[in-house]
Amino acid sequence: QLVESGGAWVEPGRSLRLSCAASGFPFYDYGIYWVRQAPGKGLEWVSGISWNSASLGYADSVKGRFTISRDNAKNSVYLQMNSLRAEDTALYYCVRDNGDYYGPFDSWGQGTLVTVSS
Amino acid sequence: EIVLTQSPGTLSLSPGERATLSCRASRSISTNYLAWYQQKPGQAPRLVLYGTASRATGIPDRFSGSGSGTDFTLTISRLEPEDFAVYYCQQYDISRTFGQGTKVEIK
Repeated sequence: QLVESGGAWVEPGRSLRLSCAASGFPFYDYGIYWVRQAPGKGLEWVSGISWNSASLGYADSVKGRFTISRDNAKNSVYLQMNSLRAEDTALYYCVRDNGDYYGPFDSWGQGTLVTVSS
Repeated sequence: EIVLTQSPGTLSLSPGERATLSCRASRSISTNYLAWYQQKPGQAPRLVLYGTASRATGIPDRFSGSGSGTDFTLTISRLEPEDFAVYYCQQYDISRTFGQGTKVEIK
């Protein structure tokens, strides 16, 4: 199970930190990702982190503004979002790969909503 | 960035009919790295197929996938009421990108 938290309404330029708490599986064996979905729109991969944090990835749209990290002792992944823009408004899903950092996403949380607006 | 283009945007079919969804990539991708997801209103997406043709856990065999290079297809052989949803293709060969989705709606 993946449970996201931290979504909120924020003004443009501000920061927000999302959290993803995992349970029910050996967390340290899986890569974890963030995928977002703007209201009424499609899916966009945002960022990903391998089991040991050695591999990190970011979409061009968030590179330099967002930072992903994980704490395996707490079974948690975080997404630090800085310099937020209106176009970052979306439901943010925490997602797990299938045990291969280069694999598909086989488990999804229910999402946390981020609204960026003045 | 690999761009995925799905067609059609909307597919209007009746239960029992066959659905054929297309996903075209802007450059060739390995068949090992193409997946399909199903999303119903108000729900998170769910993995349907991965590696082009492998069904995810719990996915019935009426779902099948094919393709190679730049052209991939998801086929639902006989639509059940629970299959009406939006379907997204995803490549995970070079970074990760999603198609824009195909909505399968009841005619």
